[in-house]
Amino acid sequence: GEDVEQSLFLSVREGDSSVINCTYTDSSSTYLYWYKQEPGAGLQLLTYIFSNMDMKQDQRLTVLLNKKDKHLSLRIADTQTGDSAIYFCAQRRYGNNRLAFGKGNQVVVIP
Amino acid sequence: EAGVAQSPRYKIIEKRQSVAFWCNPISGHATLYWYQQILGQGPKLLIQFQNNGVVDDSQLPKDRFSAERLKGVDSTLKIQPAKLEDSAVYLCASSLSDSMNTEAFFGQGTRLTVV
Repeated sequence: GEDVEQSLFLSVREGDSSVINCTYTDSSSTYLYWYKQEPGAGLQLLTYIFSNMDMKQDQRLTVLLNKKDKHLSLRIADTQTGDSAIYFCAQRRYGNNRLAFGKGNQVVVIP
Repeated sequence: EAGVAQSPRYKIIEKRQSVAFWCNPISGHATLYWYQQILGQGPKLLIQFQNNGVVDDSQLPKDRFSAERLKGVDSTLKIQPAKLEDSAVYLCASSLSDSMNTEAFFGQGTRLTVV
């Protein structure tokens, strides 16, 4: 199946690092994505990683992929108040273009 | 570049009524998606178009939901008749193609409340 699981809530102090976790069940070759959703807005793609990679870094964002445990994480360094949002991890695999989203992690940044 | 436009932003209807949502994708984007996002959940794909053809509508409740993309540009999503459990945000997204690593751009969504 394509189930994607996420924990629900994280609070973090401004300037600290945030880590958001996600597990998935489908081990087929796939792309895995992190999206950000601010209140009243659509989803914004933050970054993605292909399943033959272990890590991807993009400015303040670091994505780690543990294929053995089917675990994906997003680390945000130097978290800012503008990072307060809901973060969704999503997965899709070859032959099936459907994006399966997790329930999302709400991140609240405390000034 | 203009983003994905959706209207209306909000809609409140009574159960058993009909409702339609409209989406104008980014110019030149061949792929268009409609997602349903129920409060507290991640978005669920309802239907995906490639130009004016349907690629995937396996999760669309076809007894009450319908969608079309005439001329391969704008799209409408209709619910007839609406049920209470249809209350959700309906998101439209578009991408240049349906390749795996092509970014999908999302509109702000239409928040539907069925009472």
